[in-house]
Amino acid sequence: NAGVTQTPKFRVLKTGQSMTLLCAQDMNHEYMYWYRQDPGMGLRLIHYSVGEGTTAKGEVPDGYNVSRLKKQNFLLGLESAAPSQTSVYFCATTPTGTVALGETQYFGPGTRLLVL
Amino acid sequence: DAKTTQPNSMESNEEEPVHLPCNHSTISGTDYIHWYRQLPSQGPEYVIHGLTSNVNNRMASLAIAEDRKSSTLILHRATLRDAAVYYCILNQGAQKLVFGQGTRLTINP
Repeated sequence: NAGVTQTPKFRVLKTGQSMTLLCAQDMNHEYMYWYRQDPGMGLRLIHYSVGEGTTAKGEVPDGYNVSRLKKQNFLLGLESAAPSQTSVYFCATTPTGTVALGETQYFGPGTRLLVL
Repeated sequence: DAKTTQPNSMESNEEEPVHLPCNHSTISGTDYIHWYRQLPSQGPEYVIHGLTSNVNNRMASLAIAEDRKSSTLILHRATLRDAAVYYCILNQGAQKLVFGQGTRLTINP
């Protein structure tokens, strides 16, 4: 099993360009999450999904859109990239979203994005 | 929302035990205490979690204070591969975890 994979690993964008980050999981997990991590900071939740066809806003959703058309994929889109979106983006999954009961989150390796 | 407080950094020597503290004085009765770590240039990975009782697994031990206002992650015999940022997290609601800045652990050879 590959677990959680992210594509691409690294990308450079110019201000105003658009792109889509792909997160794929082969664990049949219901919940998927997108986080960003800025230098020296912890992770901040951007958007998450509780199942196929659903999405919800996290802590820092502005400037991002997401889609979950297939259970195994969670896409993060930047319609018009800004330098403030330079960050490392992590995708994560949980089987049923019951982190309140101690469920583990599984993270992907990250995508480094540089916006010039 | 309940928050956690951790030292910004700690240093230890290889093959010695490491005790990483976390304060969570506003924890609610149903909050689990989670520990994750992030190795350099990698995504976070699960270490351990607990509710009230101390917990042990192959990676670490978690000691939870009787009043649950603090906890300690214990690495029994640190190796160089344990150098990472360690996050102490309380679940914020049913569906997500909120990460703070964590403790950067340095292991000296």
